[in-house]
Amino acid sequence: DADVTQTPRNRITKTGKRIMLECSQTKGHDRMYWYRQDPGLGLRLIYYSFDVKDINKGEISDGYSVSRQAQAKFSLSLESAIPNQTALYFCATSALDVREGERTGELFFGEGSRLTVL
Amino acid sequence: AQRVTQPEKLLSVFKGAPVELKCNYSYSGSPELFWYVQYSRQRLQLLLRHISRESIKGFTADLNKGETSFHLKKPFAQEEDSAMYYCAPKGGKSTFGDGTTLTVKP
Repeated sequence: DADVTQTPRNRITKTGKRIMLECSQTKGHDRMYWYRQDPGLGLRLIYYSFDVKDINKGEISDGYSVSRQAQAKFSLSLESAIPNQTALYFCATSALDVREGERTGELFFGEGSRLTVL
Repeated sequence: AQRVTQPEKLLSVFKGAPVELKCNYSYSGSPELFWYVQYSRQRLQLLLRHISRESIKGFTADLNKGETSFHLKKPFAQEEDSAMYYCAPKGGKSTFGDGTTLTVKP
């Protein structure tokens, strides 16, 4: 089945280390997103990309960077991790629904990457 | 900016009782809203969207423009409905609600 895959699923690191979270998808979708989930704060958008040459900041982009290496790959980097970046990170994709002739807006999520910064 | 709010972070009901998860929106234009669900140890997935007017797993949600709400309802809750529920505008670049954790007790 077409899927959204995140690696690593769990990572523990130390303050100041550089961390990369990777997302790949086999859905053929053009749009990809990175979210962060914190208890009590819901899901917040970090970055999004509508195609390979398009990168946009979301609500909480400070301290993060992204790379869209190909249509199927969207990586999130923490250049110098800090403890308050400890969270569950989700990648998601969306696409044009050809049948309806417009975007349905439905998001398809990966399983999440749990990051702990000590 | 498109914003939705979910006023209840936690909601607990007994099995067989009705349940309503609240979602309010505050933006102009014609809202297109979705409910996503995250069961324990599973990824977030779409539950339903208002435009399709469907019932999924017994849940329904009606857009009330007068009250600017999109509450999720189910007449008889089941234990397997226990999960985190998010209200969100259409599209990934809009902010999700903070989520409501529903617990259905036996």
